[in-house]
Amino acid sequence: KAGVTQTPRYLIKTRGQQVTLSCSPISGHRSVSWYQQTPGQGLQFLFEYFSETQRNKGNFPGRFSGRQFSNSRSEMNVSTLELGDSALYLCASSLGSVGDTQYFGPGTRLTVL
Amino acid sequence: QQQVKQSPQSLIVQKGGISIINCAYENTAFDYFPWYQQFPGKGPALLIAIRPDVSEKKEGRFTISFNKSAKQFSLHIMDSQPGDSATYFCAAGSAGANNLFFGTGTRLTVIP
Repeated sequence: KAGVTQTPRYLIKTRGQQVTLSCSPISGHRSVSWYQQTPGQGLQFLFEYFSETQRNKGNFPGRFSGRQFSNSRSEMNVSTLELGDSALYLCASSLGSVGDTQYFGPGTRLTVL
Repeated sequence: QQQVKQSPQSLIVQKGGISIINCAYENTAFDYFPWYQQFPGKGPALLIAIRPDVSEKKEGRFTISFNKSAKQFSLHIMDSQPGDSATYFCAAGSAGANNLFFGTGTRLTVIP
């Protein structure tokens, strides 16, 4: 069974631009969670989507948004990019019940110049 | 505020030795404690997880010890191997939500 895939793997943007990241979960998984990983803050939860609905949200500004499609694929959007948004963005999928094991993708490395 | 505190930040162990990483939490609502292993350029991969109804869980060379009263849990890697060199993250979650709170990570180096 294929793992979680994320595209693109690397991205370079400039301040003020917006960016969309994509995540395809493991087949049969209905929950997708997004995390931001930085050297200073570590791994921080952004939000979780289940059945096309945001089920849980972390403490990030409204510039960070997401959505999930009927095939469980998810996208994350960051608008008006700031230098501090440079990070590794990870998505994790799980079957869908709360507490199910989360399987992480390889991440998208975003650099904001 | 860091919900899960992890130590040490880095650890160097000789091949065959025991690696021990410690984590502590404050939120008593946490009831799921996974450990993830991350290699450079890869996403975190689940290593082993424990729930508070048991005090210890062992899978191969990896053991989680859990102390509910002290709100602490630790990962022991027995017979550490160079291939274990990676960054290890502890995490905590609650039954009410699917978001995990991660520790800051421990970079483990196993010297041959």
